[in-house]
Amino acid sequence: KAGVTQTPRYLIKTRGQQVTLSCSPISGHRSVSWYQQTPGQGLQFLFEYFSETQRNKGNFPGRFSGRQFSNSRSEMNVSTLELGDSALYLCASSLGGWQGNYGYTFGSGTRLTVV
Amino acid sequence: QKEVEQNSGPLSVPEGAIASLNCTYSDRGSQSFFWYRQYSGKSPELIMSIYSNGDKEDGRFTAQLNKASQYVSLLIRDSQPSDSATYLCAVSGNKLVFGAGTILRVKS
Repeated sequence: KAGVTQTPRYLIKTRGQQVTLSCSPISGHRSVSWYQQTPGQGLQFLFEYFSETQRNKGNFPGRFSGRQFSNSRSEMNVSTLELGDSALYLCASSLGGWQGNYGYTFGSGTRLTVV
Repeated sequence: QKEVEQNSGPLSVPEGAIASLNCTYSDRGSQSFFWYRQYSGKSPELIMSIYSNGDKEDGRFTAQLNKASQYVSLLIRDSQPSDSATYLCAVSGNKLVFGAGTILRVKS
């Protein structure tokens, strides 16, 4: 059974640019959540999608957005990149998301560096 | 106050000892509780889940939950050097919130 696939693994972008990250969940999982991980802040919740609907959103500026497609694949976009956006972005898939008693399975992450 | 709090460590224990990791949370409505292990340079991996008060055992791991005290813990028996990692506590209320993690070092 394939795990959670995130692409690309590594990205280097310049301040002011935008970036799109992709996540393919485990087959049959309908919930996809995104997290930002930095050494100082740990894992910070960005948003969660379930059946193409955003169910919850963390405390991030509007530059961070996402969407989910009918096949449950999800993308997140960060516009007008800032140096502070450099982080590991993790996608996690789940059968039912936080509302069910299901753990999340994480992808390998996308390491974004903004220069 | 952070939603989920953990001692950052590092917690150092000798090989074969019991490692005790603790976590407190602020949302009394939280329903589900998880422990993840994250090796350096890797993504978090789910190792335990617990939903009701008491203990839950799985191999060398025991998760303990006390909702009245808003406290979750993870015990690792017979600790091995391969257990050296960061352990993340996660609590599910209206979203899954992670603590900052406790670094565990098992010395051989």
